[in-house]
Amino acid sequence: NAGVMQNPRHLVRRRGQEARLRCSPMKGHSHVYWYRQLPEEGLKFMVYLQKENIIDESGMPKERFSAEFPKEGPSILRIQQVVRGDSAAYFCASSPQAAGGGEQYFGPGTRLTVT
Amino acid sequence: AQSVTQLDSQVPVFEEAPVELRCNYSSSVSVYLFWYVQYPNQGLQLLLKYLSGSTLVKGINGFEAEFNKSQTSFHLRKPSVHISDTAEYFCAVSDKASGTYKYIFGTGTRLKVLA
Repeated sequence: NAGVMQNPRHLVRRRGQEARLRCSPMKGHSHVYWYRQLPEEGLKFMVYLQKENIIDESGMPKERFSAEFPKEGPSILRIQQVVRGDSAAYFCASSPQAAGGGEQYFGPGTRLTVT
Repeated sequence: AQSVTQLDSQVPVFEEAPVELRCNYSSSVSVYLFWYVQYPNQGLQLLLKYLSGSTLVKGINGFEAEFNKSQTSFHLRKPSVHISDTAEYFCAVSDKASGTYKYIFGTGTRLKVLA
């Protein structure tokens, strides 16, 4: 059973460009969480999605950031008009339910560098 | 709101010595607790979790943690560390109150094992 897949692993964007980060959850998992890790900091929750629904986006910046988890295909975290402060590692985690009875399974992360 | 405190940002320890990494959280109201390890440029791997039951939890790689409700703590311990344990360790609380079970992470403790 393959783990959580994220791609690309490394992404370099110039200021003002768009970044698209993809997350394929583990097979059978329908819940996806996105977290951001700024340099030298812990992980901060961004958004929680179930298939075709955003459940909690309380950690998402109000502008430029969006997320989706379509019925088919991976979850996408999209950052428009990136700025240097967006440089971070973005981790996706999945769970078979709302993680109430167990843990979230993390992907290897996408490291975004904005130049 | 729930918060997690890892007071020690860095812990140096000699190989084969015991280690304790401290974690305190803000509310003891029905929490789930986790410890994850992150090796350089990798994702997070679950070490152990507390959901209910016995307050002493054993995890992988010889780690264990004790849930202390009165002190709202969940300290991680290992009786004898190896060089390979050098990594960053994150304590996390699952936010049950919101119904989403999103994680609130501490800022991490960097364990450096010295030869």
